[in-house]
Amino acid sequence: AQSVTQLDSQVPVFEEAPVELRCNYSSSVSVYLFWYVQYPNQGLQLLLKYLSGSTLVKGINGFEAEFNKSQTSFHLRKPSVHISDTAEYFCAVSALYNQGGKLIFGQGTELSVKP
Amino acid sequence: KAGVTQTPRYLIKTRGQQVTLSCSPISGHRSVSWYQQTPGQGLQFLFEYFSETQRNKGNFPGRFSGRQFSNSRSEMNVSTLELGDSALYLCASSTGLAPYEQYFGPGTRLTVT
Repeated sequence: AQSVTQLDSQVPVFEEAPVELRCNYSSSVSVYLFWYVQYPNQGLQLLLKYLSGSTLVKGINGFEAEFNKSQTSFHLRKPSVHISDTAEYFCAVSALYNQGGKLIFGQGTELSVKP
Repeated sequence: KAGVTQTPRYLIKTRGQQVTLSCSPISGHRSVSWYQQTPGQGLQFLFEYFSETQRNKGNFPGRFSGRQFSNSRSEMNVSTLELGDSALYLCASSTGLAPYEQYFGPGTRLTVT
């Protein structure tokens, strides 16, 4: 079975500052890793994914994440945030041999960008 | 390419009633997964349908059921509604093949009174 822990439930940050949203996962098998963003009253939008290969992955809106197998982490980063980045962010995993679409989500991190 | 659509967007039901939610996946996608989102439990996987067959199932009671049609559209049904079923129900569409990258619809907000 897999589990995901997002270490911060809320992250307040000032505009143009860098931000890191932390995600750790637990799994006995290899996994695919994803970050999603949810704006108020909307569904989830895929930000980026790690499937294999380079451990640094780049996504939309200037976000990037680094997969660290030894620490079982997949932290999301952005060098300079904007007010429009205010949203809830979810880390998710899917087992490599799941034979289907079953995502296990973390509890979410609420990013609040202040002017 | 059109995204995932869900209908209705909002729904108010009374305890004990049943409800059906609908999801139309991205054209060409053969898999639809359903998730329940609540403030207390977060995002939880309900089930996945691929080519009209349930391929994966989460840990929800039998009151939650679903089906998929030959055009890949999917419906989710909840019978004998309980107050705790109030949630945002999200469906996600994928090709159904690894890495099972999922694209989400806007959700249906169900309120049970």
